[in-house]
Amino acid sequence: ETGVTQTPRHLVMGMTNKKSLKCEQHLGHNAMYWYKQSAKKPLELMFVYSLEERVENNSVPSRFSPECPNSSHLFLHLHTLQPEDSALYLCASSLWTGYEQYFGPGTRLTVT
Amino acid sequence: DAKTTQPTSMDCAEGRAANLPCNHSTISGNEYVYWYRQIHSQGPQYIIHGLKNNETNEMASLIITEDRKSSTLILPHATLRDTAVYYCIVGYSGGGADGLTFGKGTHLIIQP
Repeated sequence: ETGVTQTPRHLVMGMTNKKSLKCEQHLGHNAMYWYKQSAKKPLELMFVYSLEERVENNSVPSRFSPECPNSSHLFLHLHTLQPEDSALYLCASSLWTGYEQYFGPGTRLTVT
Repeated sequence: DAKTTQPTSMDCAEGRAANLPCNHSTISGNEYVYWYRQIHSQGPQYIIHGLKNNETNEMASLIITEDRKSSTLILPHATLRDTAVYYCIVGYSGGGADGLTFGKGTHLIIQP
């Protein structure tokens, strides 16, 4: 596969569940990002990693926990989410932290 | 304050060139102009970027005025699959740690 992949593409979870979103990039990039896109709202940056070190945490609630085991993989661990967390979660990567970012297709999350 | 302004929507006939304008009158000397698009319910897609010279790649051309206060993205032969929201943003090439901030963009509709 090429580019940035995300799994699962769709996820429905209850408020007491624990789940994880996975992102993998095959571009040889060193920076990875998690964004949230709610209906009719602009992109919101959640987390930024550069060389597996977190460089930005945009005041995200602790029920979202990122993990970057290497420069090709990024996870978002979810637990005790709220219905307002339902959104499209997007992963992106760039060679270094920069504005030329390549996005995955996103995970459509519904919290019931 | 918005750093860029774009028309809300535009129509273009299939097969014709689509020209999308963007004003960025407060752009700084070291800031680049980036273009992205987002097809409904998909992740944003990087298109092209430039500093002061015109740029062309397999997707589009970017024309930046000499004073750098405005630019035009050109899709040379628009197809129905080019229907999307197009975003123009400005930023420093290494400044992505604070994430991409999309404004409202231009909704480009390609008509058959």
